[in-house]
Amino acid sequence: QKEVEQDPGPLSVPEGAIVSLNCTYSNSAFQYFMWYRQYSRKGPELLMYTYSSGNKEDGRFTAQVDKSSKYISLFIRDSQPSDSATYLCAMKASGTYKYIFGTGTRLKVLA
Amino acid sequence: GAVVSQHPSRVICKSGTSVKIECRSLDFQATTMFWYRQFPKKSLMLMATSNEGSKATYEQGVEKDKFLINHASLTLSTLTVTSAHPEDSSFYICSARVSSGGTSGANVLTFGAGSRLTVL
Repeated sequence: QKEVEQDPGPLSVPEGAIVSLNCTYSNSAFQYFMWYRQYSRKGPELLMYTYSSGNKEDGRFTAQVDKSSKYISLFIRDSQPSDSATYLCAMKASGTYKYIFGTGTRLKVLA
Repeated sequence: GAVVSQHPSRVICKSGTSVKIECRSLDFQATTMFWYRQFPKKSLMLMATSNEGSKATYEQGVEKDKFLINHASLTLSTLTVTSAHPEDSSFYICSARVSSGGTSGANVLTFGAGSRLTVL
């Protein structure tokens, strides 16, 4: 079993839709959770960062962490064609430098 | 915000030659940088951790003689792919840890733009 599972997609949605992206993980020691957005042929850029459980909102983006279910989500409201990219989840435990990444979900927002 | 600059963005080389990729932290000092390799539809694979002033720490299965890493200053790390072969063709990305600024004290990764290596 992989430490982090993420559906690779592609996920196609119409412009304006609410998008839900998810990752599950197996290591209960993970405390730090991140979402990155990666455009084609570019490096990932940090979108959201969450420590431990709970929700965090930033503009159209909301990150949720449910540690009891080992499940994290990223919601995108009012999705735009410019949101079309690959979204990677990443997580790590305390006291380690190693970040574990999901495979990424490819999102296409259709105009 | 913290910026990591990576160069070149694309390089094409002949089999058997060596290629150097540079990674610079532009407005902060990075004692530790990370080098990743990304395959299509696969996770980012950590290759090695680059430590300023000391030897890099390589992940299991990564040939240290093949992928030479040098971190000579607090703002520059380089990855040299030696005697490149077509199977080394890939997307290589560097990153550095930056403080998240929150009370948890965690660091997040800031990535360079990546380097697409094609070995003919």
